[in-house]
Amino acid sequence: DAKTTQPPSMDCAEGRAANLPCNHSTISGNEYVYWYRQIHSQGPQYIIHGLKNNETNEMASLIITEDRKSSTLILPHATLRDTAVYYCIVRPFSNNDMRFGAGTRLTVKP
Amino acid sequence: DSGVTQTPKHLITATGQRVTLRCSPRSGDLSVYWYQQSLDQGLQFLIQYYNGEERAKGNILERFSAQQFPDLHSELNLSSLELGDSALYFCASSARQNTEAFFGQGTRLTVV
Repeated sequence: DAKTTQPPSMDCAEGRAANLPCNHSTISGNEYVYWYRQIHSQGPQYIIHGLKNNETNEMASLIITEDRKSSTLILPHATLRDTAVYYCIVRPFSNNDMRFGAGTRLTVKP
Repeated sequence: DSGVTQTPKHLITATGQRVTLRCSPRSGDLSVYWYQQSLDQGLQFLIQYYNGEERAKGNILERFSAQQFPDLHSELNLSSLELGDSALYFCASSARQNTEAFFGQGTRLTVV
């Protein structure tokens, strides 16, 4: 019962920006947008989260539309090690009830 | 390294048996979460504990139980194991209930 929709797969050339979209049209005012990634069968890795403003950290940038119904995760200079499944998750303020969907499988190609 | 430690890394057991998976959260984190990831189901939330108390329940079977101890480590007990319980089991922890969670590297359970 994930509340997000993501494309199942995307490719990106090494060194280029990877832009991963996420639709969360039913997001409510008390929910954050979180992004995690999972490389092969390792534990999911936290990337970034946001509420309504754009956010940036050392790993990525998160752009959230003004109506908050969609967002884009940007990896500015993708490397081969960024090949992973990327999960966009909507989660309430008050707890960590995170429901993972199928995510987007990003393949970075040389 | 997320700081969350799970043991064992691999476990092979027979149907009908019982196993215990252990999770040590990051230092200072009060909340622990358990997830199951099988090939056909993706990542499924099982249960959450906060400072020793159960706080949320997901798709956890009655054959499964968990607890969080006073030192904040957690154990997931799986009993009457079936072939379909073969999966990766992940533990995550967070400082509080509403801060980002960090995942361990998982325990791969194989039921034969």
